[in-house]
Amino acid sequence: KQEVTQIPAALSVPEGENLVLNCSFTDSAIYNLQWFRQDPGKGLTSLLLIQSSQREQTSGRLNASLDKSSGRSTLYIAASQPGDSATYLCAVMDSNYQLIWGAGTKLIIKP
Amino acid sequence: DVKVTQSSRYLVKRTGEKVFLECVQDMDHENMFWYRQDPGLGLRLIYFSYDVKMKEKGDIPEGYSVSREKKERFSLILESASTNQTSMYLCASSFSWGFSNQPQHFGDGTRLSIL
Repeated sequence: KQEVTQIPAALSVPEGENLVLNCSFTDSAIYNLQWFRQDPGKGLTSLLLIQSSQREQTSGRLNASLDKSSGRSTLYIAASQPGDSATYLCAVMDSNYQLIWGAGTKLIIKP
Repeated sequence: DVKVTQSSRYLVKRTGEKVFLECVQDMDHENMFWYRQDPGLGLRLIYFSYDVKMKEKGDIPEGYSVSREKKERFSLILESASTNQTSMYLCASSFSWGFSNQPQHFGDGTRLSIL
């Protein structure tokens, strides 16, 4: 059974720093891996989607990588800003086309 | 931009009531989903639908039912609300399964309290 783990559960860094969020999964048979952002009390916003055949995707200051063979993905945030404070969730689409979710990393950027 | 609209942001109901949560999407998506999100448990799939009048159970369907009479609308029904159904409910939609390069799009959520 596919399991998705996100480490750390929480992270606090000063503004301006570059940071990395981690996501690992147990079964490499996936269609894609997706990163989402969730602000308190709100729904989820899609940030990046990496298909199983891809190694990375970039959007602005965000870069997500995928290493399917080792079951790992990272979300790199460059030059962090207070507005980046949110919970970041990763999910993999498994062989049944279902999204399997991690528990999220709560990120706080200190001004 | 894709818009997924949930009818209520906050809802307070009493135990035993029949509760309807409504979700509408404007992108002609085939797939629609209902999740609940609880602290420490993450997102859990309740039901999903891949076409009009089609529905599939997710991981935690007990106590819930769904209705999809039109492509753009997916309703979640709590047949007899109980306090353990107090939660944040999130609706999402996406293109059909063949489009694995397309993400799910979420509404803003409904925070439901059952008293």
